Amino acid sequence: DGGITQSPKYLFRKEGQNVTLSCEQNLNHDAMYWYRQDPGQGLRLIYYSQIVNDFQKGDIAEGYSVSREKKESFPLTVTSAQKNPTAFYLCASSPTTWGTNEKLFFGSGTQLSVL
Amino acid sequence: GIQVEQSPPDLILQEGANSTLRCNFSDSVNNLQWFHQNPWGQLINLFYIPSGTKQNGRLSATTVATERYSLLYISSSQTTDSGVYFCAVSAGGTSYGKLTFGQGTILTVHP
Repeated sequence: DGGITQSPKYLFRKEGQNVTLSCEQNLNHDAMYWYRQDPGQGLRLIYYSQIVNDFQKGDIAEGYSVSREKKESFPLTVTSAQKNPTAFYLCASSPTTWGTNEKLFFGSGTQLSVL
Repeated sequence: GIQVEQSPPDLILQEGANSTLRCNFSDSVNNLQWFHQNPWGQLINLFYIPSGTKQNGRLSATTVATERYSLLYISSSQTTDSGVYFCAVSAGGTSYGKLTFGQGTILTVHP
C-alpha cells in the first residue's frame, strides 16, 4: 500500500534529551513537511523540503532539526533546546511544489510527551 | 503572513442535517485545501480547491478567490462526519509550498 508511515506512534522524552521522529513515504512525492499540532489548535509548519538535500524553516523551527538524504525519508529531531515539545507531530508529503497540483497527504502522527 | 479564519469554531448537528463551514483568508491564494481530522488524529484530504466548485458524494466545496473565502458543505450528515475540519491555504511567491492552516471547526454529529 502506498502511503506515509510515521513512527513511533507514542514517544516520551526526558529532560535534556534529543529524540528523532521517523517519516517515510513510498508515494514518490518530491515535497515533505513536518507540522506540529497542540490541543485544540490548528497545524503549524516546522520544516519543509522540496527536494533531496534541501530544506527550509517553517514558522516554528527553533528547537528542531531535519535532514533529507533520501527522497522517501524526512526525519525530525526534537532537540533539548525545544522547551515545550509536548505535542502531536504530523508528517506530510505532496507530489510537487512546482506544479499546480499540490494536494497534501498526511501520516498518522506521533504523540510526543515529556517525562 | 497570510491569515486564515474558520467559522463556526464548533458545530453540533443531528444526523441527517446539512451544514456549511466557512474559511476566510487575508490574501490571494494559489492553493486551498480542506481536510477532515478524525478522532484518532488522522488527517484526510477532502478537496484541493483554489477556485471554483467541486463535489464528492455528500460533500462539496466552493472557493470564491476574488472575495477570499471558501465554503465546505456537508449534506445529510452522519456520525462518521464528526471530527475537526481544517482549511489550509498557500499564497505563493516566497511562501510557495507552505500551507497555513486555520484553527478548525469541530463538528459533532449526534445519532
